[in-house]
Amino acid sequence: DGGITQSPKYLFRKEGQNVTLSCEQNLNHDAMYWYRQDPGQGLRLIYYSQIVNDFQKGDIAEGYSVSREKKESFPLTVTSAQKNPTAFYLCAVRQANQPQHFGDGTRLSIL
Amino acid sequence: AQSVSQHNHHVILSEAASLELGCNYSYGGTVNLFWYVQYPGQHLQLLLKYFSGDPLVKGIKGFEAEFIKSKFSFNLRKPSVQWSDTAEYFCAVTQRNTGFQKLVFGTGTRLLVSP
Repeated sequence: DGGITQSPKYLFRKEGQNVTLSCEQNLNHDAMYWYRQDPGQGLRLIYYSQIVNDFQKGDIAEGYSVSREKKESFPLTVTSAQKNPTAFYLCAVRQANQPQHFGDGTRLSIL
Repeated sequence: AQSVSQHNHHVILSEAASLELGCNYSYGGTVNLFWYVQYPGQHLQLLLKYFSGDPLVKGIKGFEAEFIKSKFSFNLRKPSVQWSDTAEYFCAVTQRNTGFQKLVFGTGTRLLVSP
């Protein structure tokens, strides 16, 4: 979606390494979300943030961490504790009473 | 926990055929309902949404969906599909008791339309 930038598009990680995925928005929306998409499983919520300096765990937060120091940025760190990190990661944003809108995603692969 | 079921994982249709994709959810309270579409190589896009009011909602590209509260369903329909409708379709739900914040997705339906 226009206004939501995820980078990089493709990311490779060696086992045991942490890696950070970027999500930036210029829509001035309050809420931001991270999802993981796996074939045949749909999208699952990792973390979400409704306001700066606050965030909540989603359904599959183990092995992930986030920060929300600025309204426009919500980076996701995939830590070495995440046992199966290979997936497609999607960031979304939302303004009150509106649907979520998604970025183009980052595909993470383990070398 | 809230769950969303999409019964058809793969659907293959010929152009001009009618489409109906099923979606059922498990939460009994107030919900908002969505259908998203992911075309090959593209980002997830909103197809249509239901918040309140008329249970028959119309979306982009000729799609519509009907909210039937008694059946906990929000099926997606299109009278005549085109080759360009080939995509993966996701039903999703948010609920009042989470402030409509947490979007729960179904597992998706892959639609292939043959020319």
